[in-house]
Amino acid sequence: GAVVSQHPSRVICKSGTSVKIECRSLDFQATTMFWYRQFPKQSLMLMATSNEGSKATYEQGVEKDKFLINHASLTLSTLTVTSAHPEDSSFYICSARDPGGQTYQRLYGYTFGSGTRLTVV
Amino acid sequence: AQTVTQSQPEMSVQEAETVTLSCTYDTSENNYYLFWYKQPPSRQMILVIRQEAYKQQNATENRFSVNFQKAAKSFSLKISDSQLGDTAMYFCAFMKHDNGGSQGNLIFGKGTKLSVKP
Repeated sequence: GAVVSQHPSRVICKSGTSVKIECRSLDFQATTMFWYRQFPKQSLMLMATSNEGSKATYEQGVEKDKFLINHASLTLSTLTVTSAHPEDSSFYICSARDPGGQTYQRLYGYTFGSGTRLTVV
Repeated sequence: AQTVTQSQPEMSVQEAETVTLSCTYDTSENNYYLFWYKQPPSRQMILVIRQEAYKQQNATENRFSVNFQKAAKSFSLKISDSQLGDTAMYFCAFMKHDNGGSQGNLIFGKGTKLSVKP
């Protein structure tokens, strides 16, 4: 099963509404969670870094008030897209590292959620 | 600032053959990690292989190996005995090493779409 569980996998919302995306680390404590955005046929662009118990660090050009990140516990980080508009439609992915991972994937790499496809209509 | 460049938007290879994906990067850092990630149609990101910059020996993981040329800032991925399941987007990524133990973020290239043909 997924080490980082991301929900929902797909969401369609009306323009002007807010959408919350959750990423949960199932069997390790994620002190840091990274949030990426991926446009069709393009690369992953870092949006922000969330740290448990503190404010998120946003990349240049990412609106803090539009993309609210909360990392209230060591196993849960959320991204809320507020007042969504069609241009916010994208694929959003979270990732974290499990320093105690027992497999090559988990020990040496970052574990990614399965992504959320957001469509704003 | 670090940049990662993948100059091959798409590549194809016949099943069982070998293919090499190119990646170059730019950084002023001396300590860093380089990664190849695979993103199949499911969109799940999967680590293929990782290289530590301080290691001269090229990393290998089963059918996957890299050619790491630090001076040239080149990090190519070789896939041997290609399988249909290798069909995916492949992303080269860079991460700065932080001796303080904090976790750095990955900087990705634009990706190479690999198609393995039967």
